[in-house]
Amino acid sequence: GQNIDQPTEMTATEGAIVQINCTYQTSGFNGLFWYQQHAGEAPTFLSYNVLDGLEEKGRFSSFLSRSKGYSYLLLKELQMKDSASYLCALGGYKLIFGSGTRLLVRP
Amino acid sequence: EAQVTQNPRYLITVTGKKLTVTCSQNMNHEYMSWYRQDPGLGLRQIYYSMNVEVTDKGDVPEGYKVSRKEKRNFPLILESPSPNQTSLYFCASRPERLAGLNEQFFGPGTRLTVL
Repeated sequence: GQNIDQPTEMTATEGAIVQINCTYQTSGFNGLFWYQQHAGEAPTFLSYNVLDGLEEKGRFSSFLSRSKGYSYLLLKELQMKDSASYLCALGGYKLIFGSGTRLLVRP
Repeated sequence: EAQVTQNPRYLITVTGKKLTVTCSQNMNHEYMSWYRQDPGLGLRQIYYSMNVEVTDKGDVPEGYKVSRKEKRNFPLILESPSPNQTSLYFCASRPERLAGLNEQFFGPGTRLTVL
């Protein structure tokens, strides 16, 4: 089976850096996705990792360690609009989502 | 514009009254999927379709039906809705080549309330 764990909620300050962790267990790995979801809206794609290491996309970076079943999403220079839920998901024929981490950015 | 559309966006109905939520994509994607999202439970897959006339159950298929007669459309059918199907529903699609490696594109969501 597959299982994904993320913290439920995090708080950070505007302009700071925050790291959102995701740990997973899976019998077959087909990549790990990160999505952003604002309240009541559709998830939007942020990043994808299939190999170990760091993928950088502007203010957002995602890291993967397959041997540890671990990923994190790093958000730099936080802005108020980054207040949202961040969803970690295992790729494959069926995309399996974690429950998401709600990030609150304070002034 | 490449997109996934869903209708209706909001629906309040009563127990037992059959309803259909439509989903359409204009990206020629083979794979389409339905999710429901509930507080504390995250996104859970209801049904998915790998291509026309090919559908399969996700993690929470009870009480739902789907069909895939055309590549672009993937309606979700609730034959006899019940209050525990009150939820936020998302349709999604992606190209099927390199199956697990492609991001899914989500529709805007349908907020369903069953009284």
